[in-house]
Amino acid sequence: ETGVTQTPRHLVMGMTNKKSLKCEQHLGHNAMYWYKQSAKKPLELMFVYSLEERVENNSVPSRFSPECPNSSHLFLHLHTLQPEDSALYLCASSQEVFGIETQYFGPGTRLLVL
Amino acid sequence: AQSVTQLDSHVSVSEGTPVLLRCNYSSSYSPSLFWYVQHPNKGLQLLLKYTSAATLVKGINGFEAEFKKSETSFHLTKPSAHMSDAAEYFCVVSGIMEYGNKLVFGAGTILRVKS
Repeated sequence: ETGVTQTPRHLVMGMTNKKSLKCEQHLGHNAMYWYKQSAKKPLELMFVYSLEERVENNSVPSRFSPECPNSSHLFLHLHTLQPEDSALYLCASSQEVFGIETQYFGPGTRLLVL
Repeated sequence: AQSVTQLDSHVSVSEGTPVLLRCNYSSSYSPSLFWYVQHPNKGLQLLLKYTSAATLVKGINGFEAEFKKSETSFHLTKPSAHMSDAAEYFCVVSGIMEYGNKLVFGAGTILRVKS
C-alpha cells in the first residue's frame, strides 16, 4: 500500500451534483498532483501544487476546482460535470515539484457521471 | 518537446516465458525515464527509473530496462513472467517545463500472462 490515500474510491454523480475528491499523503512531500486517466488515452496532468501553491493548470475546465489547504491534503471539487468527465482520477505526490525523484500515486477515484 | 511511444497496446505471454514491453522516447536533452505498473483498481507503482547513471536499470519484481540513446529506446524486460505480472505498464519520460520536469506518460501496454 502506498503512502497516498484517496477517497472515495468510487463515485457516481449526476450532472447537477456537487462532490469532492480527497487525497492525503503521509510521506512528507511538498508537491501534489491531480491526473485524469480516461480509457484508451494517456494519463493527463490536470493540476500541480507546490507548497500549497498552484503552479500549473493544464487548461482544465472550471467545473473542476482544486484546493490544497496544506501540503498533506489535496481536494478536487466537482460541479456540473459532463459524462465525458467519467474517468479514473489519480492523485500523486513527490518530494519536490517535478523533480526527477519518484511520484507516488494513490489508488484513484473512479468517477462515473450520469 | 518530450514524448513517449509504447509500441504495443497489448502483449500476451505464457507464464515462465520472457517479457518484452517496448518504449521509444523523444527528447531534446538527456531525459529521465521511468516505468510504472498499474494493477486493476490500483494506483501506479514505480518499477524502475533511469536518471543518467547506469544504462541498465534494475527494478522491482525482477524487471529491468536498458536505456539505448542511439535507438531512443527504453524497453522493459523480465526473464520469466509470473501470473502476478498481469497489469498495465506505462513508460514515462520527464520533460522540461517552467517549473521543473513534467512527466509525460505513454498510452500504456496491457500485459496478459497465460497459464
